[in-house]
Amino acid sequence: QSVLTQPPSVSGAPGQRVTISCTGNTSNIGAGYDVHWYQQLPGAAPKLLIFGNSGRPSGVPDRFSGSKSGSSASLAITGLQAEDEADYYCQSHDHSLGGSGVFGGGTKLTVL
Amino acid sequence: QLVESGGGLVQSGGSLRLSCSASGFTFSTYAMHWVRQAPGRGLEFVSAISGDGGLTYYSSSVKGRFTISRDNSKSTLYLQMGGLRADDMAVYYCARGPNYGIFGVLGNWGQGTLVTVSS
Repeated sequence: QSVLTQPPSVSGAPGQRVTISCTGNTSNIGAGYDVHWYQQLPGAAPKLLIFGNSGRPSGVPDRFSGSKSGSSASLAITGLQAEDEADYYCQSHDHSLGGSGVFGGGTKLTVL
Repeated sequence: QLVESGGGLVQSGGSLRLSCSASGFTFSTYAMHWVRQAPGRGLEFVSAISGDGGLTYYSSSVKGRFTISRDNSKSTLYLQMGGLRADDMAVYYCARGPNYGIFGVLGNWGQGTLVTVSS
């Protein structure tokens, strides 16, 4: 059972917009810790997608955006493309665990 | 760039040392992490170490069995694993942490090295 809760799967058609939620509590996201998002393409290593709740590393398309409110965060993907099919993980920290990092359980995005 | 090595097949109860060779950044100024992913499962923090090696973190599942270390002169991160169990079987990723403390965003990841534990 992950500390951060993500839906196991989401899907959307090409061109559509999808969102992936990451729900925590007052010990992690709600305590003010930043949320980061990673994309893991099939058979590949994870790659940083969003940092500090809404920052985009260079090279990440602006179709990907992040937001945070209260004890939850969201990743939005607009203009869905076939190559976006991947697993997505949120990550934050938890002060009940000594400030250590925690991951969400991951969400499988299927492009229909 | 981060390149892991040292994975392989080991018997239950055995030991293995993973290495992660770093290049392209000032290694000594960044915390480094080991994150693992069991087959078909999600990501799990395993261990982390600060840039100067003075601070370390271990998940409860590996504390007392694994030891993280780094050699800044060689830009290399290590994970000495002992008392290996079936539930340690996973792909182990080396990742670059923040340039402050231990925990933060993981900006770069290696390709991973597979550890297989046989009974």
